[in-house]
Amino acid sequence: GNSVTQMEGPVTLSEEAFLTINCTYTATGYPSLFWYVQYPGEGLQLLLKATKADDKGSNKGFEATYRKETTSFHLEKGSVQVSDSAVYFCALATGNQFYFGTGTSLTVIP
Amino acid sequence: NAGVTQTPKFRILKIGQSMTLQCTQDMNHNYMYWYRQDPGMGLKLIYYSVGAGITDKGEVPNGYNVSRSTTEDFPLRLELAAPSQTSVYFCASSHRARIDTGELFFGEGSRLTVL
Repeated sequence: GNSVTQMEGPVTLSEEAFLTINCTYTATGYPSLFWYVQYPGEGLQLLLKATKADDKGSNKGFEATYRKETTSFHLEKGSVQVSDSAVYFCALATGNQFYFGTGTSLTVIP
Repeated sequence: NAGVTQTPKFRILKIGQSMTLQCTQDMNHNYMYWYRQDPGMGLKLIYYSVGAGITDKGEVPNGYNVSRSTTEDFPLRLELAAPSQTSVYFCASSHRARIDTGELFFGEGSRLTVL
């Protein structure tokens, strides 16, 4: 079956710290992989995506590389800001459906 | 440009009552989805639709019904509400041609409490 497993939170970091949120997946076929972000009281928004192996998605200083050999898509940012505080979801899409991880809550303190 | 609009934003129901969560999108998207999000959990797919007149069950369909009479609208019906249906519900949509690029657009969510 298809599933996504991501690092449990919550994660608390100081401003300008390095961020890694781990994500691994199980899928049939060749899925596309995504990171979504959810700010308090809002719906999810697409943060970045990668549609094939070795692709790197990037946006707003966040990056993730589609690693087929390790079935991973870890999210990284070199220097987090208070405004990055949110819940981050790893997801995959295959066929007509999207599959989401459980989400990782990030709090960045000044 | 409204995107995906859900109503109501908040609702309290008594056990056994019924209600409909409304979802409308103005982007002419073929694909529409209903998810529920429970505290500390990821999103679980309830139902989805690939076009008007076509619906299919997701991972957790029991206790819910949907219809898709138009491209724009995808209402979710809760029959005989139970406390286990207390959750935040999200409607989302995507264009058929971009289904694998992750451009899934979400509404702001509907928080439902069943007492």
